[in-house]
Parts: sequence; C-alpha cells; structure tokens
Amino acid sequence: ETAVFQTPNYHVTQVGNEVSFNCKQTLGHDTMYWYKQDSKKLLKIMFSYNNKQLIVNETVPRRFSPQSSDKAHLNLRIKSVEPEDSAVYLCASSQGSNTEVFFGKGTRLTVV
Amino acid sequence: GEQVEQLPSILRVQEGSSASINCTYENSASNYFPWYKQEPGENPKLIIDIRSNMERKQTQGLIVLLDKKAKRFSLHITDTQPGDSAMYFCAAKSPKYVFGAGTRLKVIA
Repeated sequence: ETAVFQTPNYHVTQVGNEVSFNCKQTLGHDTMYWYKQDSKKLLKIMFSYNNKQLIVNETVPRRFSPQSSDKAHLNLRIKSVEPEDSAVYLCASSQGSNTEVFFGKGTRLTVV
Repeated sequence: GEQVEQLPSILRVQEGSSASINCTYENSASNYFPWYKQEPGENPKLIIDIRSNMERKQTQGLIVLLDKKAKRFSLHITDTQPGDSAMYFCAAKSPKYVFGAGTRLKVIA
C-alpha cells in the first residue's frame, strides 16, 4: 500500500512540553507538507519541503520546526507547546507542480 | 495576494437537488485548482480538479467551472445524496497551495 503515514494518531500533552510527529510517504513524491487544521476546519500550510530543501516556510512560531532525513520523511517538532497549538496536524505529499496533494490521516494534538 | 475565498461556509440542501460552492483567488499565476472532500474523522481527499487550460470539467455527478478572467472557480454537485455530506475545500496552486476556508455541506434526506 502506498500512502502518507502519520504517527501518532493522537497526542495529549501539557503546556511547555516538546512533541514530535512523524510522517512518511511511500508514493515516491518529491514534495512534502505540514498543514494545521484548527477546530473550525481551516487548513493552513505550515511548511513544505522539496528534495530536502525548505521551499515554503509560512509565518509559524519558531517553536515549530520541520525535520527531514530524506524526501520520503518529514517530521514536525514543537518545542514548548502552547494551548493554541491544539489542532489536527496533517502531513501531505505531491509530485511536481499542478498535481494532487495526498494527505495523511492526521495527528490530533491536545495541549492541556 | 495569496488568499482563496470560499463561500458559503455552510450549505444545506435537500436530497436530489444540486449544491454549488464558489471560490475566488487572487494570484493570477494560479494554474491548478483541486477540490477536496473531507468526511468526519478522515483526511481530505481529492474529488475533482481543473487546470488553467480548461473552463469546464465533469466527472461522476461533479462539475467544476473555471473563469480565469474573474479569478473564480466553482464546484457543482448534481443530484446530491446523504453521502455527499462533508467538508469541501477548494484550493489554488500558484505554485504553493492555498486552501479555501471550507464549506460544510449537509444533504437532508
């Protein structure tokens, strides 16, 4: 099966903790993304990586950082989480331009 | 500008009728316009897309229209069924993806 795989599915943590989410795509795509989907279902792009190069870095807080070991992996680390970070984080990938973006099933983060 | 405006935010229709969702974009360089459907607890999935060299595309009860002059594109779902109830997102790629705010469609039986 080829797809975009995210772990964990859910994560509950306290304010100030560090969390890390993993994402792997087996579609052979050259671009990966992280999106944040809030409680109102708004989809906001956070990062995109193309061939290990960060090509889009939206104005997200510095406590967020993407980490990529190769073009099939793009992890997301959040240092010192805050309550407003509670959301679903969706990893995605695509090949080239003008093509479909494939989403993972998301990681739901709850900060208490 | 990079904004994509999507309206309406909530849409309720009777089963069997049609539903229309409209999006406008700012970046004239946008050349790819996908539509995603997201069911509760699921990830968004592509249902139809249109490229800038086309004005109309139709597949399985879905019609998308693109008006490049007006920077507007729309999704039309014909003969809606309860299974069409979901969140729908439009997006424009220019080259980066910008998503609309979503439309919550509810088909009433």
